[in-house]
Amino acid sequence: EAGVAQSPRYKIIEKRQSVAFWCNPISGHATLYWYQQILGQGPKLLIQFQNNGVVDDSQLPKDRFSAERLKGVDSTLKIQPAKLEDSAVYLCASSPNTGARQETQYFGPGTRLLVL
Amino acid sequence: QQPVQSPQAVILREGEDAVINCSSSKALYSVHWYRQKHGEAPVFLMILLKGGEQKGHEKISASFNEKKQQSSLYLTASQLSYSGTYFCGTGGGRGSNYKLTFGKGTLLTVNP
Repeated sequence: EAGVAQSPRYKIIEKRQSVAFWCNPISGHATLYWYQQILGQGPKLLIQFQNNGVVDDSQLPKDRFSAERLKGVDSTLKIQPAKLEDSAVYLCASSPNTGARQETQYFGPGTRLLVL
Repeated sequence: QQPVQSPQAVILREGEDAVINCSSSKALYSVHWYRQKHGEAPVFLMILLKGGEQKGHEKISASFNEKKQQSSLYLTASQLSYSGTYFCGTGGGRGSNYKLTFGKGTLLTVNP
């Protein structure tokens, strides 16, 4: 079974530029998550989708971050404009059903973003 | 509220044991444990649920004290491959969409 795919793996941009990340979850997984992991920290949830609907985006900085999951499969996360503090690894994860408490989340390899 | 993990770092020799703790100030419905090696994705180790149910790898053991809102991960007879950063993610209830909040991690280094 293929895992969660993410691209690009690395991205370097200057502040105020825009950037987009792509995620393809495990086939058939209904729930998709985007996490931000700053160096030395644990992952922080940005947004959770179930199919193509948003379940939780309470920690997404909506003035600059946006995400979509059209057709309930793959997803894109965009930052516009980027700030220095957005430098982090952006992890995508998926789980089979509703994301309930007993569900395992499967993580992708992440996109490492450096904002200069 | 982010859970607190202890210790922050631990160094072992191959074959030694370690305990990693995770403590929350909020009521817990689940605790998820992951291991992340440098530059790689977090890998699932174990889920512990309120009520006693567990699922995870056979060689990993953990405990969940609902009253104290704490969980501990037990690594016995450590191997070199156990090296990495261990994260606990504490889960809320249905009202929080079972959202996981991760601790800052415990860096485990196993030396030969």
